[in-house]
Amino acid sequence: DAKTTQPNSMESNEEEPVHLPCNHSTISGTDYIHWYRQLPSQGPEYVIHGLTSNVNNRMASLAIAEDRKSSTLILHRATLRDAAVYYCILSPSGGSNYKLTFGKGTLLTVNP
Amino acid sequence: DAGVIQSPRHEVTEMGQEVTLRCKPISGHNSLFWYRQTMMRGLELLIYFNNNVPIDDSGMPEDRFSAKMPNASFSTLKIQPSEPRDSAVYFCASTPTAWETQYFGPGTRLLVL
Repeated sequence: DAKTTQPNSMESNEEEPVHLPCNHSTISGTDYIHWYRQLPSQGPEYVIHGLTSNVNNRMASLAIAEDRKSSTLILHRATLRDAAVYYCILSPSGGSNYKLTFGKGTLLTVNP
Repeated sequence: DAGVIQSPRHEVTEMGQEVTLRCKPISGHNSLFWYRQTMMRGLELLIYFNNNVPIDDSGMPEDRFSAKMPNASFSTLKIQPSEPRDSAVYFCASTPTAWETQYFGPGTRLLVL
């Protein structure tokens, strides 16, 4: 399975944009890129996903590099509630497409 | 809308005792997942059900662990006998179909003494 690499931690100030990077140099052509986050003492929560094109939703934006070897999750205005561990995950193609392999993620701290 | 419901939220038991964790998926969701989260190993998939049938149990650590899904609205994860190394947070997740967004429950925090 293709793997992802994320910084262990990042820090941001409230109401500023946050760019969370993810490297996935071994991604295959049909792997989707998913982002989930886990707030303290809660289960993981879906944020966004994409294949090739950049994606936007009410929570965030996902910018995918042209070669798909990296992606960036963008929180446009961080709030204290965005403090969480953010996971970048690739879902394999084919019969195992249900498998989300969670790595260590990036711990985002948001300063007031 | 009710999300994924798990019970109990916290469980403290002694080594050797049987532990049963329960999960009610979101209504209409056909796929259900059990995960375990520890500091050492992170979040791991234990077992995946589709239409109440276990499809992938390769993540189940050993025979002490078993999971059932007798109907579309209920699943159990049982540990018998429990050991201290089973202490973890156990999450249940459901999704309309296997490849769609997974919705996680609040988890059950298990402590085996």
